[in-house]
Amino acid sequence: AQRVTQPEKLLSVFKGAPVELKCNYSYSGSPELFWYVQYSRQRLQLLLRHISRESIKGFTADLNKGETSFHLKKPFAQEEDSAMYYCALGEGYGNNRLAFGKGNQVVVIP
Amino acid sequence: DAGVTQSPTHLIKTRGQQVTLRCSPKSGHDTVSWYQQALGQGPQFIFQYYEEEERQRGNFPDRFSGHQFPNYSSELNVNALLLGDSALYLCASSLGYARLSYEQYFGPGTRLTVT
Repeated sequence: AQRVTQPEKLLSVFKGAPVELKCNYSYSGSPELFWYVQYSRQRLQLLLRHISRESIKGFTADLNKGETSFHLKKPFAQEEDSAMYYCALGEGYGNNRLAFGKGNQVVVIP
Repeated sequence: DAGVTQSPTHLIKTRGQQVTLRCSPKSGHDTVSWYQQALGQGPQFIFQYYEEEERQRGNFPDRFSGHQFPNYSSELNVNALLLGDSALYLCASSLGYARLSYEQYFGPGTRLTVT
């Protein structure tokens, strides 16, 4: 069963418009949630994690345990935000293994 | 620090053959995880090595096996290759297994094509 769901495969937004990528999870324990990003021709890298409660490159994500969601948001999209974004759930011992969603391709239109 | 390195970059194998992929973790990291990423999908956890032992395993058959060496580098072996094994194989390293470790650093991947 899919433990992490990212419903929209492709998201096109205009530069300066808000971006929201949806992520829902299924987990019986206390979840650890992450967003990973992959820019063109680069490796997968951590964007942010819910425990840090920080904003990275203007992106924020709030863990909502009631709705089992961890949506990624940015108020004003930039061209350099065009990338593949993956929501991931930390599982197992130490939450050290990741269950990824299928990913969202974000295209920012100039 | 070059970060996580993987070799080879890509390779082509025939059904039924065996393949070995290699990974060197980021300097200072002692835990290595392997993921399989099929086209259009997110990475899927295969297994994780710490102190030269497999510690966690995902839902993959025994055809998938691994090894970790004293220098923390790791190998992923796949026997009796199937067409469905064609994918990008990612290695990720992190620091610490017994304590919570949240950030995994990924390598560039090895693209395996099975014909």
